[in-house]
Amino acid sequence: EVQLVESGGGVVRPGGSLRLSCAASGFTFDDYGMSWVRQAPGKGLEWVSGINWNGGSTGYADSVKGRFTISRDNAKNSLYLQMNSLRAEDTALYHCVQHSGYDLGREAFDIWGQGTMVTVSS
Amino acid sequence: DIVMTQTPLSLSVTPGQPASISCKSSQSLLHSDGKTYLYWYLQKPGQPPQLLIYEVSNRFSGVPDRFSGSGSGTDFTLKISRVEAEDVGVYYCMQSIQLPPRYTFGQGTKLEIK
Repeated sequence: EVQLVESGGGVVRPGGSLRLSCAASGFTFDDYGMSWVRQAPGKGLEWVSGINWNGGSTGYADSVKGRFTISRDNAKNSLYLQMNSLRAEDTALYHCVQHSGYDLGREAFDIWGQGTMVTVSS
Repeated sequence: DIVMTQTPLSLSVTPGQPASISCKSSQSLLHSDGKTYLYWYLQKPGQPPQLLIYEVSNRFSGVPDRFSGSGSGTDFTLKISRVEAEDVGVYYCMQSIQLPPRYTFGQGTKLEIK
């Protein structure tokens, strides 16, 4: 069974940092691009960042560019999101998602994890 | 960025009746490779979104055939031929044509059962 399990969320003060992790299982991890998509409480979906199969290509939403860094470790079947300089507006449930193919861009989001909650508050 | 606009934002449907959701993009989603990069997702209450339709009209694995997608260019529609109780939730359209990637979603359409 394909599974994506996120961890690392929590409560952090504005300006602080968090590192999210996503453990993948049930599929060949390095065959697929991956992304993080977030959902603020009661709001819609916002793509945050994505990475291709080997980490050679990454992309970021303008709202997080320069503050967040996506990475992956194919040997550990894991995806990461390093979040620095956090703001109140970053408060959201962060989902790890598997792309339909190996690339970044022009892909569907086939499989979604349950998400990990990040709360930025003083 | 491409703006995705869904209508209506909510609808209430009697079980067994059809439902239709519109999604309009601010730019054409038809690429020179011949594909149109428009997708539909359903987020059931308390669950993450799930892919329903990819590239306008292709049902994802396991999606019932009462769901269908259509459209071209900038105008797209998701139809449910006969709504069932398990179809409640929020439906989102999404585009993925842009490079560098700028995936964007519609605002969401909440479907409830009468």
